[in-house]
Amino acid sequence: NAGVTQTPKFRVLKTGQSMTLLCAQDMNHEYMYWYRQDPGMGLRLIHYSVGEGTTAKGEVPDGYNVSRLKKQNFLLGLESAAPSQTSVYFCASRALYQETQYFGPGTRLLVL
Amino acid sequence: GDSVTQMEGPVTLSEEAFLTINCTYTATGYPSLFWYVQYPGEGLQLLLKATKADDKGSNKGFEATYRKETTSFHLEKGSVQVSDSAVYFCALSEGGSYIPTFGRGTSLIVHP
Repeated sequence: NAGVTQTPKFRVLKTGQSMTLLCAQDMNHEYMYWYRQDPGMGLRLIHYSVGEGTTAKGEVPDGYNVSRLKKQNFLLGLESAAPSQTSVYFCASRALYQETQYFGPGTRLLVL
Repeated sequence: GDSVTQMEGPVTLSEEAFLTINCTYTATGYPSLFWYVQYPGEGLQLLLKATKADDKGSNKGFEATYRKETTSFHLEKGSVQVSDSAVYFCALSEGGSYIPTFGRGTSLIVHP
């Protein structure tokens, strides 16, 4: 039981490049979330999903897209990376009727 | 809307000192309250939680009591260790909401 995994762990992009971050969970959780963490800002919710095939915007969705084609996977896409998207990205999942979130180890992204 | 306010860090202590990290919240209903811990280079993990007023959550020597009258959930530990050095997040989750509310996090540094 791996819990929540994230791929890749670290990535360097040039401004304007695109990439996809993958989150996978093996706990059969309904809800999944993408956060970014920046110094002094705490965690900010980017997008979330309450089930397979559904997604919704969080607090800071601009510049990101997401997809949840399979229940166990939640993808975060950056179509045209900007230096302001340099951050650490965390994925989390949560079971239906449970409130505890389970976090992945994070992806550190540097946009030059 | 809901909000969580934590004391700003960093909190710097010597080993075996007493720890308090303050957390207060604003919520419309009757939320569950959480403390998550983030060790260096890792994702957040649940430390303890309380689901109703006067409940005490405890784990690894840490405790927090759900105080409805003061809307607080302060984290305490009687004797900290170097290994407790981490960032601590207070959070709340209201029944029926998909999205938890996190505080900004408090960094704890424990010196030998």
